[in-house]
Amino acid sequence: AQKVTQAQTEISVVEKEDVTLDCVYETRDTTYYLFWYKQPPSGELVFLIRRNSFDEQNEISGRYSWNFQKSTSSFNFTITASQVVDSAVYFCAGLSGGGADGLTFGKGTHLIIQP
Amino acid sequence: DTGVSQDPRHKITKRGQNVTFRCDPISEHNRLYWYRQTLGQGPEFLTYFQNEAQLEKSRLLSDRFSAERPKGSFSTLEIQRTEQGDSAMYLCASSFAGYTEAFFGQGTRLTVV
Repeated sequence: AQKVTQAQTEISVVEKEDVTLDCVYETRDTTYYLFWYKQPPSGELVFLIRRNSFDEQNEISGRYSWNFQKSTSSFNFTITASQVVDSAVYFCAGLSGGGADGLTFGKGTHLIIQP
Repeated sequence: DTGVSQDPRHKITKRGQNVTFRCDPISEHNRLYWYRQTLGQGPEFLTYFQNEAQLEKSRLLSDRFSAERPKGSFSTLEIQRTEQGDSAMYLCASSFAGYTEAFFGQGTRLTVV
């Protein structure tokens, strides 16, 4: 079985601050895939990034960056210079074991960016 | 094709009634998934199809739930004899076969009264 832990239930920051969302993925499989999704108030889950367990390169896309460390099973997500439009619930998810159980999601982190 | 679409967006039903939801995936995607999301939780996997074959079902999918994907195109999820505990957002997603990202529809919010 897989488990995704997002320890931060809610984070509130002032606009333009940097913020990091934490995620830990537990699985017995050596090959797995990690994802981040954004769920704005409208409700639709929006795909942000996918990372393979054998690729520990960090990735930057505009104001977003991701740090994957296999040794600690962590896949953290940083938003630089946050904006009000970043306010949403962010879900980390994992996929392993042949994908038979679909994506395993964490409980999500509610990010509030105050103007 | 602009994405995964689900119909209806909202459904209110009386306890004991049957309901059916529809999902139209991204046309070139072979895999189709159903998830359920309750308030304050992440989505939970229900079942998935590879083309028209239903390959996996979660233990969450009781015998009151049935899903189909005729001809490997759209899919339907039916809930028979609805219970108040079935109230949730039902999400459909699709992807290419394998460990690729899934794209989600806007969901069907079911309320059982």
